[in-house]
Amino acid sequence: RKEVEQDPGPFNVPEGATVAFNCTYSNSASQSFFWYRQDCRKEPKLLMSVYSSGNEDGRFTAQLNRASQYISLLIRDSKLSDSATYLCVVKEGGNTPLVFGKGTRLSVIA
Amino acid sequence: NAGVTQTPKFRVLKTGQSMTLLCAQDMNHEYMYWYRQDPGMGLRLIHYSVGEGTTAKGEVPDGYNVSRLKKQNFLLGLESAAPSQTSVYFCASSYSAFPIGSEQFFGPGTRLTVL
Repeated sequence: RKEVEQDPGPFNVPEGATVAFNCTYSNSASQSFFWYRQDCRKEPKLLMSVYSSGNEDGRFTAQLNRASQYISLLIRDSKLSDSATYLCVVKEGGNTPLVFGKGTRLSVIA
Repeated sequence: NAGVTQTPKFRVLKTGQSMTLLCAQDMNHEYMYWYRQDPGMGLRLIHYSVGEGTTAKGEVPDGYNVSRLKKQNFLLGLESAAPSQTSVYFCASSYSAFPIGSEQFFGPGTRLTVL
């Protein structure tokens, strides 16, 4: 079975902290990578796609290392509203569904 | 745009009863998916569809059937519910399943309890 592995956490960090999540994937043929965010008792929502060159969206930075089959998400200046579960998602090439990690839970504390 | 909607939001069934969950999307997406999410298990794909009139099995298809008679709707059926099917069910859709346009948009979920 293709796997996407994440540290389940929880990560408990104070407001303003920088926190990093890591994710590894087993299928070297994977072509697309995403981070989703899921709030408690809500549906997953796309946070950002992850590009080979790395990409940034405000306080969020995603990196991809294809050689090590490793994806990361960095959150700077954490806010209380960042508290959620972050899902690492990988897609192989072709007409195949997404593969979701089990998620890493983040709690930002005042 | 309503995005992806799911009906019902909550349901309690007795063992052996049947029910159908309805998913609808108004984004003209070709691909639709049904997942279940259980504590500690993450999202698991039940069935998916790559277009109107097509369905395919996912990771955990047993005990479920699906139909995609119209492009905008994807139905998930439980013919004889079992307590092991107590879960939160999410529907999702995507424009494509290829690298471009493969990001999925999720419905709000259906919380199903089977007694």
